[in-house]
Amino acid sequence: DQQVKQNSPSLSVQEGRISILNCDYTNSMFDYFLWYKKYPAEGPTFLISISSIKDKNEDGRFTVFLNKSAKHLSLHIVPSQPGDSAVYFCAASGFGGGSQGNLIFGKGTKLSVKP
Amino acid sequence: DSGVTQTPKHLITATGQRVTLRCSPRSGDLSVYWYQQSLDQGLQFLIHYYNGEERAKGNILERFSAQQFPDLHSELNLSSLELGDSALYFCASSAYVEGADGYTFGSGTRLTVV
Repeated sequence: DQQVKQNSPSLSVQEGRISILNCDYTNSMFDYFLWYKKYPAEGPTFLISISSIKDKNEDGRFTVFLNKSAKHLSLHIVPSQPGDSAVYFCAASGFGGGSQGNLIFGKGTKLSVKP
Repeated sequence: DSGVTQTPKHLITATGQRVTLRCSPRSGDLSVYWYQQSLDQGLQFLIHYYNGEERAKGNILERFSAQQFPDLHSELNLSSLELGDSALYFCASSAYVEGADGYTFGSGTRLTVV
């Protein structure tokens, strides 16, 4: 039973355009959401997070939107750069549903930004 | 360099064998988490230790065990290995006992069971 779902395994975007990565979750007990970026042969690195009491959080070119009623979050990257090409993981945490405060990850979306 | 050190980086072993993966957390971090990433899968939470005590267990098989030592490094022991155990194993550390903020991941150990 997958509690955090990233339904798009891959996404290709032109440099300078917007990249939108989507994530859905099923557990209403989740109260904190994060995005991690992963390059090959490296561990995931934290990108941006959002608390369930907010609907938007912005950090430079990265913005995360949270729609609690739809149990959906998205990561917007504007403008996209070739160095953004990586696998992006959505993660959620919260007590209840077995997560016990630890991160539950989606399967990831591979973003390719073409020059 | 994230500050979280995992050794070895690569490991190839035969079915039925036992291996130990090692993780040294970032300086000052008391929490260590282990995650498994199989092919086409997200990172699956295995186990969490805080200051030597087990805090939470996820989808960890009975053939797997872990511990955190007084110097805060952690070891993940995998025994009676099967082909399906081939995966990337990540360790992460955090200064906190609870909450998801501040996870720092190591670069992982790639385990191949043949």
